Amino acid sequence: DAGVIQSPRHEVTEMGQEVTLRCKPISGHDYLFWYRQTMMRGLELLIYFNNNVPIDDSGMPEDRFSAKMPNASFSTLKIQPSEPRDSAVYFCASIRTGWDEQFFGPGTRLTVL
Amino acid sequence: GESVGLHLPTLSVQEGDNSIINCAYSNSASDYFIWYKQESGKGPQFIIDIRSNMDKRQGQRVTVLLNKTVKHLSLQIAATQPGDSAVYFCAEIYSTLTFGKGTMLLVSP
Repeated sequence: DAGVIQSPRHEVTEMGQEVTLRCKPISGHDYLFWYRQTMMRGLELLIYFNNNVPIDDSGMPEDRFSAKMPNASFSTLKIQPSEPRDSAVYFCASIRTGWDEQFFGPGTRLTVL
Repeated sequence: GESVGLHLPTLSVQEGDNSIINCAYSNSASDYFIWYKQESGKGPQFIIDIRSNMDKRQGQRVTVLLNKTVKHLSLQIAATQPGDSAVYFCAEIYSTLTFGKGTMLLVSP
């Protein structure tokens, strides 16, 4: 299995632009998570899905952030408009069931200028 | 230990030593805990977990201890190797998952 796949690996954009991050979970995993990591705040859970349905989005910072999971093999995290404080590494993770053994993707490093 | 500031606490050890990384969690109702290892440029990797009805769990070269009285978790790594150098996070789970800030482990040959 290729593991969790994220794209792009690096994204540099200007303030105000729309940014879309993509994730392909491990096949057969029922849960998908989006995290953000910064030096200041560490790892933060943004949102997670179960069977493509958003379960908890309380970690989404504000309305500029949105996430979708149109099918079991694909999810997007969108920021519109982006701001410099959104600069971070964004991780996607998936698990078959329960919280244990989350498999993380390699992350997308986002820089908003 | 855990950090609430900008700088990660760092533990420096010699190869072959035993390492102990500590974590203070916040929610006394948390019922499941996980330790993760994150190497530079990579996502976190599951190491070991423990449920709140246990106080100790052992894996390969790693042991997790849970003290619910003081809300403290520790990760012990036996015979630390240079490949163990990474940032280690604890995570607590009660309806959602919350990560600690992490501790950097540096292992010198």
